[in-house]
Amino acid sequence: GENVEQHPSTLSVQEGDSAVIKCTYSDSASNYFPWYKQELGKRPQLIIDIRSNVGEKKDQRIAVTLNKTAKHFSLHITETQPEDSAVYFCAASIVNRDDKIIFGKGTRLHILP
Amino acid sequence: SAVISQKPSRDICQRGTSLTIQCQVDSQVTMMFWYRQQPGQSLTLIATANQGSEATYESGFVIDKFPISRPNLTFSTLTVSNMSPEDSSIYLCSVVERVGDTEAFFGQGTRLTVV
Repeated sequence: GENVEQHPSTLSVQEGDSAVIKCTYSDSASNYFPWYKQELGKRPQLIIDIRSNVGEKKDQRIAVTLNKTAKHFSLHITETQPEDSAVYFCAASIVNRDDKIIFGKGTRLHILP
Repeated sequence: SAVISQKPSRDICQRGTSLTIQCQVDSQVTMMFWYRQQPGQSLTLIATANQGSEATYESGFVIDKFPISRPNLTFSTLTVSNMSPEDSSIYLCSVVERVGDTEAFFGQGTRLTVV
């Protein structure tokens, strides 16, 4: 089955700097890659996603890139703000097959003042 | 977007007992998913629940320990059976909605503590 690896497990960046989180996946059939943000005590919330027919997607300060050949995808957060502090999970799924979403182990992002 | 109501939100249970968690969705969905999130950890998929058929369990999870019901397209239950302290975790149900794009929605979770 699918296996998603995520790095780093913890990331601290100065407010205003950029943060990058990287993931790899194992199943070449995976075609949908969402990213979730989870604040303490809350449920995961989708922040951005990308499909396998797209190499990059951007939404304001957040961007995601996908390299299908290498089975890598990354989350980029620019101009980080204190409210970006949270745990971020990458995930992979096969849409229109079983739709189950397999998560990476998460990255705890700390934004330093 | 789908709205998921999950209950109970938390419970403290004695070892050896069972707890049933309920998940209600405000729209009809084909598949519902149950996850476990241990403290400080990621979400691990337990099983996929399809209406009208047996649930499909992931490696490491078995029906005897985590029986699932899916009586209709808006409701599912997960039972954690014969609990031990190692079952202490947050359990979340999830649905995938495809309206335009694809998005997974989660219930608020059930925080289970086994003593």
